[in-house]
Amino acid sequence: SAVISQKPSRDICQRGTSLTIQCQVDSQVTMMFWYRQQPGQSLTLIATANQGSEATYESGFVIDKFPISRPNLTFSTLTVSNMSPEDSSIYLCSVRPGQTLMNTEAFFGQGTRLTVV
Amino acid sequence: GNSVTQMEGPVTLSEEAFLTINCTYTATGYPSLFWYVQYPGEGLQLLLKATKADDKGSNKGFEATYRKETTSFHLEKGSVQVSDSAVYFCALSDRQGAQKLVFGQGTRLTINP
Repeated sequence: SAVISQKPSRDICQRGTSLTIQCQVDSQVTMMFWYRQQPGQSLTLIATANQGSEATYESGFVIDKFPISRPNLTFSTLTVSNMSPEDSSIYLCSVRPGQTLMNTEAFFGQGTRLTVV
Repeated sequence: GNSVTQMEGPVTLSEEAFLTINCTYTATGYPSLFWYVQYPGEGLQLLLKATKADDKGSNKGFEATYRKETTSFHLEKGSVQVSDSAVYFCALSDRQGAQKLVFGQGTRLTINP
């Protein structure tokens, strides 16, 4: 299992500013995943963060808008840059510890509820 | 690409009613299938899973059977309780995108006493 601490839990930000979200895991994991959950919508994967290499972004998400850091095997940050009201969402960090990853349970942080005004 | 389609919500039932939430998927390989649940004010957590055809996942009175022939993984419970009120997400992962989970749109379930 894994316990994920994510912060901040919520924030209200001015448009044009940036917010960095932190994700700390209680065990070492190879990959960490960042999701966005827009109001009333499903979870959409933003990117996969690998330790020691560049993050892999999904279609529709770019590094300039969502830069990610992964300095070690237990920590990652996601920055939401130059925010607009359309970025208002819940942002979730997730890990899937284990060897047979396609069968493995994913664990999620509590999420960061971002409101851009 | 892979995708998951869930029954449209919201769903409102009375306590002790029978529940079915439909989930169908499209995948290039043989995926693993999951149901996740998000209770009010809590984080997303695994409810049950099935990793191969005809497997049945079960937990907390909920069941879902991996049906390869109909590409489905419907969630069922024989008698729901008020405490089952939550948002339920069907999800899959497969060998090609092995570590990524693809989620359905979620179904909000409300159980009235």
